[in-house]
Amino acid sequence: GQQLNQNPQSMFIQEGEDVSMNCTSSSIFNTWLWYKQDPGEGPVLLIALYKAGELTSNGRLTAQFGITRKDSFLNISASIPSDVGIYFCAGRPTNAGKSTFGDGTTLTVKP
Amino acid sequence: DTAVSQTPKYLVTQMGNDKSIKCEQNLGHDTMYWYKQDSKKFLKIMFSYNNKELIINETVPNRFSPKSPDKAHLNLHINSLELGDSAVYFCASSPYGYRDNEQFFGPGTRLTVL
Repeated sequence: GQQLNQNPQSMFIQEGEDVSMNCTSSSIFNTWLWYKQDPGEGPVLLIALYKAGELTSNGRLTAQFGITRKDSFLNISASIPSDVGIYFCAGRPTNAGKSTFGDGTTLTVKP
Repeated sequence: DTAVSQTPKYLVTQMGNDKSIKCEQNLGHDTMYWYKQDSKKFLKIMFSYNNKELIINETVPNRFSPKSPDKAHLNLHINSLELGDSAVYFCASSPYGYRDNEQFFGPGTRLTVL
């Protein structure tokens, strides 16, 4: 299946710092989504992107659909302890009907 | 009200047994999924049903059999459980149309095979 490379694999940051992570693919995607999984729970959709160049915010989170359509970025500003979790990107390639998930970025926030 | 629910939350069983996990969604969605999340937290799709019809069947052993009695339910039956089946299994659903990739996940079922 399609391979999504998510970077970094893990992050350890101080409370208050900003966070950036990305997701890349060798194929062109027509949809990018970002999910967060809290410990012991299922992933929850944070942001959905449908157009190249699109920049969408959800509170302190901002995600962008890359212009090349082969990548997406998620930024978290002024991190807080409850931002801890695994962030998954997911995308749908233009030539396939289903989404594929990245391997996740594990975020740890130190108070 | 829980949007996507799964039962049981935890399942501990012996190798060789047969077990089922149930999933229900009250969102009126047309598509439901089963995912397996291993110990490294990788999420892998197993099956997808649209209006009770199987549309995705990834390379999964045929010991795993999904069943959708109606579009609000997608159950997963596993025969002859093996140690490697230990994982967290997530059910998810998504709406019809261009937003059909926006998936709503259940809380997961942690399966431990001894």
